[in-house]
Amino acid sequence: GQNIDQPTEMTATEGAIVQINCTYQTSGFNGLFWYQQHAGEAPTFLSYNVLDGLEEKGRFSSFLSRSKGYSYLLLKELQMKDSASYLCAVTDSWGKLQFGAGTQVVVTP
Amino acid sequence: SAVISQKPSRDICQRGTSLTIQCQVDSQVTMMFWYRQQPGQSLTLIATANQGSEATYESGFVIDKFPISRPNLTFSTLTVSNMSPEDSSIYLCSVSETGEAEAFFGQGTRLTVV
Repeated sequence: GQNIDQPTEMTATEGAIVQINCTYQTSGFNGLFWYQQHAGEAPTFLSYNVLDGLEEKGRFSSFLSRSKGYSYLLLKELQMKDSASYLCAVTDSWGKLQFGAGTQVVVTP
Repeated sequence: SAVISQKPSRDICQRGTSLTIQCQVDSQVTMMFWYRQQPGQSLTLIATANQGSEATYESGFVIDKFPISRPNLTFSTLTVSNMSPEDSSIYLCSVSETGEAEAFFGQGTRLTVV
């Protein structure tokens, strides 16, 4: 099984940077995903890490350390539309995901 | 990326009844999954829908309560049987391809049981 932990909520100001941490303990590991979910909508894919290091995609970056069971999602130049829940998910086989509880990010003006 | 159509988008059902949710993909996909998202919570995997054979259920989910069909590589259904208010959730279909990292989600079915 998997144990995936992430903070419940984070608040940041428009234009700032926020880092969402995720720690995991797994019996198997084939990658870590970050999804964004706005209220009432389906999750949308943000990033995937399977090797250690940083993956950058525009304003969003994701980091993975497999030895530490640790990942973070970095959101830069925050915009109001970034207010959403951010879900950390781990897979031990293709497509089958175990999700953390999600981190609600609130962006204030 | 795969386009997933999920129907119905929402429904209000009486306790004791059953609801079947459909998931249609615009291309053949290897893997199809069903998730549940209870109010205020994250997603929990219910089962893997296997084409031409019985679904593989996760701990805490059983076939009698959540029968699943997958007659081909583009379509699957999830039935929520003998519903109770505790089944009020969003149910999501997800697909991915072997060797592909990304898993795509349908828009979800918001179920309310009264």
